[in-house]
Amino acid sequence: SQTIHQWPATLVQPVGSPLSLECTVEGTSNPNLYWYRQAAGRGLQLLFYSVGIGQISSEVPQNLSASRPQDRQFILSSKKLLLSDSGFYLCAWREDSYNEQFFGPGTRLTVL
Amino acid sequence: GIQVEQSPPDLILQEGANSTLRCNFSDSVNNLQWFHQNPWGQLINLFYIPSGTKQNGRLSATTVATERYSLLYISSSQTTDSGVYFCAVEGQGAQKLVFGQGTRLTINP
Repeated sequence: SQTIHQWPATLVQPVGSPLSLECTVEGTSNPNLYWYRQAAGRGLQLLFYSVGIGQISSEVPQNLSASRPQDRQFILSSKKLLLSDSGFYLCAWREDSYNEQFFGPGTRLTVL
Repeated sequence: GIQVEQSPPDLILQEGANSTLRCNFSDSVNNLQWFHQNPWGQLINLFYIPSGTKQNGRLSATTVATERYSLLYISSSQTTDSGVYFCAVEGQGAQKLVFGQGTRLTINP
């Protein structure tokens, strides 16, 4: 069966520091991968998605970037964190468009 | 792009009550999912239901694609049903889900 992992689970970082969040999926190949942020405790904002290695689509202009160095690995990065980057970051996967999507456990990021 | 509206935004009920959550969408969809976000933030899949009716225990869902809405029914509510319920849809050719703003359900003992 498929499993999705995210780490770290929680992170406290100072303003201006770099960021790297990692997401990996097991038990499938060539999944569609997604990064979301939940800032207000309710809505989910899609940040990036990838339908294959090296293919990244950005939904919202910001100081974050995403990369997919391996088939089942999706990384969210920042060179310099802002206070507004605080939030709950969720990675998700699915086998293909129109299929059921599944979420990882999330990373709670606090920028101080 | 496709728009998703959920109602009501908040719902407070006593344990044992039944509830109906609604999701309206603005265009044809190839995918519709219902999720429950528990107090720890985990998003749990409830239903993958682009059309038709499904049931899973006390929960059931119906999507009427031609009329562009979906309903989530929760019967005999328990305190563990508390949390935020999200509807998400995918339009034709979109490659991504669009989420509604959610319904926050609180079940009091």
